[in-house]
Amino acid sequence: AQTVTQSQPEMSVQEAETVTLSCTYDTSENNYYLFWYKQPPSRQMILVIRQEAYKQQNATENRFSVNFQKAAKSFSLKISDSQLGDTAMYFCAFMKLVHSGNTPLVFGKGTRLSVIA
Amino acid sequence: KAGVTQTPRYLIKTRGQQVTLSCSPISGHRSVSWYQQTPGQGLQFLFEYFSETQRNKGNFPGRFSGRQFSNSRSEMNVSTLELGDSALYLCASRGGLATDTQYFGPGTRLTVL
Repeated sequence: AQTVTQSQPEMSVQEAETVTLSCTYDTSENNYYLFWYKQPPSRQMILVIRQEAYKQQNATENRFSVNFQKAAKSFSLKISDSQLGDTAMYFCAFMKLVHSGNTPLVFGKGTRLSVIA
Repeated sequence: KAGVTQTPRYLIKTRGQQVTLSCSPISGHRSVSWYQQTPGQGLQFLFEYFSETQRNKGNFPGRFSGRQFSNSRSEMNVSTLELGDSALYLCASRGGLATDTQYFGPGTRLTVL
């Protein structure tokens, strides 16, 4: 079974600074997706960024980028120019690809990020 | 496109009762998944439906059941509620089984007294 570990329960960052959230996962699979979701106080789970394991290039979405290290099974999220609206719980998630249809998401426990003015 | 919608947003029930939660996926999406979120256990997968058929099931007791209608709307039912069923129930939709990204609804907060 796949497991996802987020070792930082809480983090804080000053507005406009950069912060990196860590995520490691354990799998014997070769084909999978990795995701970062954010859950603000409103509780709506929002997709931040996704990464296909077969792609070596790290995914980027505006101020959000990942550092995907497949051999090390590491998938960290970097938030640049942090904004107050980035305050949220951030979840790392894993999904295995299979021919019959992709498997459910397996989530880490989350990192609570606070952006301080 | 409208996002995933869930009703009701809040529910308060007592032990022993049953409850039904509803989820309407993004238009055109045929897969609906349900997740339970609690402070202790985090996010756990309940089940996934595609074309009215359950395709995946998590490790939950039989008190948790679901179904999907021909318009892809899904319902989740919990019978004989227990205090431990208090949680945020999240629904997510995706285009198909081979589609990678799931989009989540706002959730239903269930409180069992």
